[in-house]
Amino acid sequence: AIQMTQSPSTLSASVGDRVTITCRASQGIRNDLGWYQQKPGKAPKVLIYAASNLQSGVPSRFSGSRSGTDFTLTISSLQPEDFATYYCLQDFDYPLTFGGGTKVEIK
Amino acid sequence: QVQLQESGPGLVKPSETLSLTCTVSGGSISNYYWSWIRQPPEKGLEWIGYVYYTGSTKYNPSLESRATMSLDTSSNQFSLKVSSVTAADTAVYFCARRFTTNPKYCFDYWGQGILVTVSS
Repeated sequence: AIQMTQSPSTLSASVGDRVTITCRASQGIRNDLGWYQQKPGKAPKVLIYAASNLQSGVPSRFSGSRSGTDFTLTISSLQPEDFATYYCLQDFDYPLTFGGGTKVEIK
Repeated sequence: QVQLQESGPGLVKPSETLSLTCTVSGGSISNYYWSWIRQPPEKGLEWIGYVYYTGSTKYNPSLESRATMSLDTSSNQFSLKVSSVTAADTAVYFCARRFTTNPKYCFDYWGQGILVTVSS
């Protein structure tokens, strides 16, 4: 199975900060990666698909990029509603695999 | 607006079979892949498998052949069974729709999740 190594596991930030989360795939996965946001007690919500495409309705402060097997989720200016846990998901090959998650906490 | 709702027992005894159903409303079950994803308490997400509207399936090998999925197009429902459960199967189970029109592949609709506890 493709391993997705996500970092950091926890991130402390303030409102207005620029935040970057990274996922590294254990092999090439083209652009077949999505980013999901999960708030406590809720289902995950898709933010980005195909590495850099913003899902409809998601604020433009969220963006995604790829360099080789490294993928990055950037929040350009953190808002109060963005404090949550973020997961990457590779859908290049089965089994689909998630990264371990990054919890974005209030500093 | 598509909505998904999980249902089933919240408590299952060790060695028994976990059975869940996901009811899809506001849209057809046809032409999509339907997945189950689980999340143990305070842990990350694990994809369990999918059932396609044709009935074809694929499972995560991590469940060691204990998972079975099926669907009923007439009632717009799909289901999950996990046999021989242990405490390690305790988790919130989500059902989700996978959108698969190139280049967009993502889980775009999710159920709210159902907590299943394995305990005697």
